[in-house]
Amino acid sequence: GDKVKQSPSALSLQEGTNSALRCNFSIAATTVQWFLQNPRGSLINLFYLVPGTKENGRLKSAFDSKESYSTLHIRDAQLEDSGTYFCAAESSNTNKVVFGTGTRLQVLP
Amino acid sequence: EAAVTQSPRSKVAVTGGKVTLSCHQTNNHDYMYWYRQDTGHGLRLIHYSYVADSTEKGDIPDGYKASRPSQENFSLILELASLSQTAVYFCASSGTTISNERLFFGHGTKLSVL
Repeated sequence: GDKVKQSPSALSLQEGTNSALRCNFSIAATTVQWFLQNPRGSLINLFYLVPGTKENGRLKSAFDSKESYSTLHIRDAQLEDSGTYFCAAESSNTNKVVFGTGTRLQVLP
Repeated sequence: EAAVTQSPRSKVAVTGGKVTLSCHQTNNHDYMYWYRQDTGHGLRLIHYSYVADSTEKGDIPDGYKASRPSQENFSLILELASLSQTAVYFCASSGTTISNERLFFGHGTKLSVL
């Protein structure tokens, strides 16, 4: 099965609203990264996390290694937040980074 | 900001032909990676390298070779391109150890094999 499972797979939001994306891991993850792939295809690194939380502007992310999940909260969504969000977890067994299949987010005016 | 540059940005290749994708980083990072992304999917690791003149197999290495002639440069080589290798290829770099550094990606190379 999927080692890194993201939910939801797709999401539409009205501009100005809030949302949360989630990753569940079936691997022992030591670190988590969140990326935004914008409509042009570029991958932008949003967060790099050890267990705990980080905040950057309207984005906040948390990583709980014991419960094997991570979340990305988007506050006051803007049109430029549209794209596909990927989480990626480093496996403590292999030291390799495993990607989820992404959450496609569309922010509507 | 970390810089990873890929070339070409896109390429059309014929089945059975040889394809070389190039990646250059100016981050002074030890680790470099090649991933492929298929439509609607996440990224899968093909090859990686943690030091010049050495490469390691990732999760899907079959049909691909890699070359790391220097710390800055990492190439992905398809000796006999096949239709199934049509995808977007991303190069990335990270710092001194896998477990302590974030990944920085290039803009990707769209490869179409006809």
